Formats: sequence, structure tokens, C-alpha cells
Amino acid sequence: QIVVTQEPSLTVSPGGTVTLTCASSAGAVTTGNYPNWFQQNPGQAPRALIYFTNNRHSWTPARFSASLLGGKAALTLSGVQPDDESNYYCLLYYGGAWVFGGGTRLTVL
Amino acid sequence: QVQLQESGPGLVKPSETLSLTCTVSGGSINKYIWSWIRQPPGKGLEWIGYIYDSGRTTYNPSLTSRVTMSVDTSKDQFSLKVNYVTAADTAVYYCARGGYSHAWTTGPVFDVWGHGTLVTVSS
Repeated sequence: QIVVTQEPSLTVSPGGTVTLTCASSAGAVTTGNYPNWFQQNPGQAPRALIYFTNNRHSWTPARFSASLLGGKAALTLSGVQPDDESNYYCLLYYGGAWVFGGGTRLTVL
Repeated sequence: QVQLQESGPGLVKPSETLSLTCTVSGGSINKYIWSWIRQPPGKGLEWIGYIYDSGRTTYNPSLTSRVTMSVDTSKDQFSLKVNYVTAADTAVYYCARGGYSHAWTTGPVFDVWGHGTLVTVSS
């Protein structure tokens, strides 16, 4: 059973920059894992932010960027705003099946 | 603007079958892959499986023995059944669009989600 690991929690100051990562127990994350990133606020459905490593959806603000970094998928938020305080999930593909990470709770403080 | 709406009983007894339907509006179910995802209260997201418009399915290996998905293209609906449920199946269940059925790797994927429906397993 593949496990996808994210930082449980991170804190960032308003206007700052923070990077969230997504690691795989199966080894380095690659473009072949088609990494996705989602934002979820309490009581709401997840909202897609990034698909296939670094592609923003049409509604995703430019301050959200993503890449592969040190064998992990990474989501970077620049110029963080209070509204960015939320839960973030990554999603990886493994030969037909998808696996979510455990999520990162991002606090803007 | 494509919208998804989950529907089904909010309470299911242990050992019985959970049944949910997702209705696609504002667009067609054809040419896409459709997924089910769930989230236990206070916990993270779990991918359950997906179904193509053709009816081809792939399930989470941890759930494959209890899960069945189906699609009704005439009604623009797809469905989920989970057999022999326990309290561990209590969760908010979401349906989502999973990408183009003819070439999902061209993206995007999981771009449209339903609002979710809470299913509680309890006697």
C-alpha cells in the first residue's frame, strides 16, 4: 500500500512564501505520478488548484505555483494572503489508481 | 458550467449497502471519467475509484472487494455502491470529474466536484 506524506501543519506570515511538499513511499515523485493539488476549507468540497505537476486551473491565482523538488511534488504560495489559510491536499497517480496525501493545515499568522 | 450533485440516504445500517448517485448537469457525462472520493469526519481525503463513460472501472485496492460503480449515460448519472458497511465507512462522499475519457493525460482532472453528502453508518 502506497503512502503519500505531507507536512501535517505549516505556519506562514501574511505576505510571506511557503512551500508544501508531497512525498511518496514508492520513491521519488515524477511527472508520471501526475501530481495534483487541492485546497479545502472547512465544510466545503475540495477545490482544484494544480494539475499535472505545475498547471494552474483557470481560477487558480498566480501566487500558487507548483513543481517537483528533491524527489517530491511541491506547492509554493507566494505573497500569502489570510484567505490562503486552509487545508491542502496532494494527489498522485500510480498506474491506474490515485492516492491522496494526508493533507497540510496551513495557518497564516 | 458543469455541476455535480450527490444524492442518497444519509443513514445506513451496519452490514448493509451504501448507495449513492451523482447527477451531472450543465454538461454531458459522455467523454469523461468520473470519480468518487470520501472524507471521514475530521480526516483526510480517500479516492474510492473511477468509472469511464463506457462503464470501465478502477477501484481503490483497499476497497475493491466491496465497491461497485455504474454509469447511466441516458440520465447523465453515475453511481456508487459499498457493501457490508461499518462505522469506518462513515464519511462525506464526493463525486468529481476525473478527466477526458479518450485522453485523460492531456488534463485537466478533478476540476469539478459535487458539494458532498454525509453518510453515517449506524444502527
